[in-house]
Amino acid sequence: QQQVKQSPQSLIVQKGGISIINCAYENTAFDYFPWYQQFPGKGPALLIAIRPDVSEKKEGRFTISFNKSAKQFSLHIMDSQPGDSATYFCAARTGGGADGLTFGKGTHLIIQP
Amino acid sequence: GAVVSQHPSWVICKSGTSVKIECRSLDFQATTMFWYRQFPKQSLMLMATSNEGSKATYEQGVEKDKFLINHASLTLSTLTVTSAHPEDSSFYICSARARDRVGDGYTFGSGTRLTVV
Repeated sequence: QQQVKQSPQSLIVQKGGISIINCAYENTAFDYFPWYQQFPGKGPALLIAIRPDVSEKKEGRFTISFNKSAKQFSLHIMDSQPGDSATYFCAARTGGGADGLTFGKGTHLIIQP
Repeated sequence: GAVVSQHPSWVICKSGTSVKIECRSLDFQATTMFWYRQFPKQSLMLMATSNEGSKATYEQGVEKDKFLINHASLTLSTLTVTSAHPEDSSFYICSARARDRVGDGYTFGSGTRLTVV
């Protein structure tokens, strides 16, 4: 059972455009929703994260929108740059920190110059 | 910021041998360490969770006798793949949570590419 569904699988965006990646979850016990960026051959790096009591969080060019009733959250990358080309994973966690993360399947993002 | 050092970054071993992967938290005490496995172009799958000084908890379907995890100190956790076979070839990544750490962050290592030939 896939607990976190991520879409699209791949995405091509022109430089300067907005990249949008969506995730949906099923487990209402999830209490923490991070987004990670991963480059080939490297471990994932935390981009931004949100808790379910907040509907939006912005850090620089990255924004998370969270819809608790729909059990969905999304990542928006504003003014997308070629250096943003990477694989992005949404994730979720239960247990207040004692549990590991459940990851979505990932989105391969390509920013065209 | 918090740093987790993972070694080796890549390893090639013969089928039937064992391989040990180390993860060290360099500037914080890792109360909990998580081990993930990632196949090419796929997501990270949690294998096990370990707390310092106690036995690891394995996810369903992960063989605890094959993937030995030791978390003997607050700064070091190891994953040993025993009697490795080609199907164990994968990217293994550790992640640590700090004791008394403010916030929800998980710090990931840089991963280990294991190839079993």
